[in-house]
Amino acid sequence: DAGVIQSPRHEVTEMGQEVTLRCKPISGHNSLFWYRQTMMRGLELLIYFNNNVPIDDSGMPEDRFSAKMPNASFSTLKIQPSEPRDSAVYFCASTPGTSDAETQYFGPGTRLLVL
Amino acid sequence: GQNIDQPTEMTATEGAIVQINCTYQTSGFNGLFWYQQHAGEAPTFLSYNVLDGLEEKGRFSSFLSRSKGYSYLLLKELQMKDSASYLCAVIDSNYQLIWGAGTKLIIKP
Repeated sequence: DAGVIQSPRHEVTEMGQEVTLRCKPISGHNSLFWYRQTMMRGLELLIYFNNNVPIDDSGMPEDRFSAKMPNASFSTLKIQPSEPRDSAVYFCASTPGTSDAETQYFGPGTRLLVL
Repeated sequence: GQNIDQPTEMTATEGAIVQINCTYQTSGFNGLFWYQQHAGEAPTFLSYNVLDGLEEKGRFSSFLSRSKGYSYLLLKELQMKDSASYLCAVIDSNYQLIWGAGTKLIIKP
């Protein structure tokens, strides 16, 4: 299995630009999670999906952030407009079941730098 | 509120033993995870405890005391490749996963 796939691996953009991060979960997994990690705040859950349906988006910082999961094999996290404080590593993770109370399999992350 | 405490950083010597502690105050408890994260990489699963006691897996062991709200990760025969951050995460009563800030472990030769 290829594991969780994320793209791009690195993104450098200017403040105000739209950023789209992509994730392909492990085939057959039913839950997908988007995290943000910074030195200051550690690992933060942004949103998670069960069977392509958003379950908890309380961690999404503000309206500039949006996430979609149009099918079981693809999800996007969009930031529009981006700001320097959005600079972080964004991880996608998936689990076989429908809860984050299971072993999570993380993708390699997208390192975002907003100038 | 929900809170997980871990030391920010620890230093140990190659070949030695180190214990990384995690204390938690959460609304209920349904299990505890330890993850390892090497610099610049994603977290990877190490262990899961839901009952009191020690779970051993090779050089790594994880202990849980639910009454004390306490867990530790024990690493034996330390190797340089064990230099990483170790994240403690607790499942609360709503089956939400609460992450600790992680402990950065530095191994010296």
